[in-house]
Amino acid sequence: AQSVSQHNHHVILSEAASLELGCNYSYGGTVNLFWYVQYPGQHLQLLLKYFSGDPLVKGIKGFEAEFIKSKFSFNLRKPSVQWSDTAEYFCATNSGAGSYQLTFGKGTKLSVIP
Amino acid sequence: GEEVAQTPKHLVRGEGQKAKLYCAPIKGHSYVFWYQQVLKNEFKFLISFQNENVFDETGMPKERFSAKCLPNSPCSLEIQATKLEDSAVYFCASSQAPGTEAFFGQGTRLTVV
Repeated sequence: AQSVSQHNHHVILSEAASLELGCNYSYGGTVNLFWYVQYPGQHLQLLLKYFSGDPLVKGIKGFEAEFIKSKFSFNLRKPSVQWSDTAEYFCATNSGAGSYQLTFGKGTKLSVIP
Repeated sequence: GEEVAQTPKHLVRGEGQKAKLYCAPIKGHSYVFWYQQVLKNEFKFLISFQNENVFDETGMPKERFSAKCLPNSPCSLEIQATKLEDSAVYFCASSQAPGTEAFFGQGTRLTVV
């Protein structure tokens, strides 16, 4: 079964610091990859997605992610975080699942200090 | 509609009582997924539908959980005889086609006391 690993459980940054959240997946075939954000008490919102093509994907709110096939990675980045980015971030894939459900990582909590 | 609508937002049940959750997918989306979020973080896949047909139910606890997606009605997830460990947020998601982006509803927080 495929799996998604997010290495950082909790990241604390000051405003304007740069962000990189790690994500590794296990599936060796063609992958669809996603980053979702969950603000406190809210539902999941899609930040960005990768299906194919340019491995550098730009999403909403200034986020981007880079798909590196050789490393099985899809790390999320933002050059300068804001207090409003405080949330839980989930990496997910729906490849190799057979029925297209998402397999999620355990999430990374981001706390941005003003 | 343009968003996945889940009702109710909150549900409190005593142990042993039945709980029923509803989900209206985005219009035009053929695939519906149910997930259970426990311990605040971990998402567990429960079941998926393609229109009214069960697509994958490998995540469903067999004994007490059931789900349906009937034509012209919201999809539903029902838990018979709830247990304390069923306390979680249940999210519904829909997508237009297999493998494409899934849109999530606001979730239903089930508390079993």
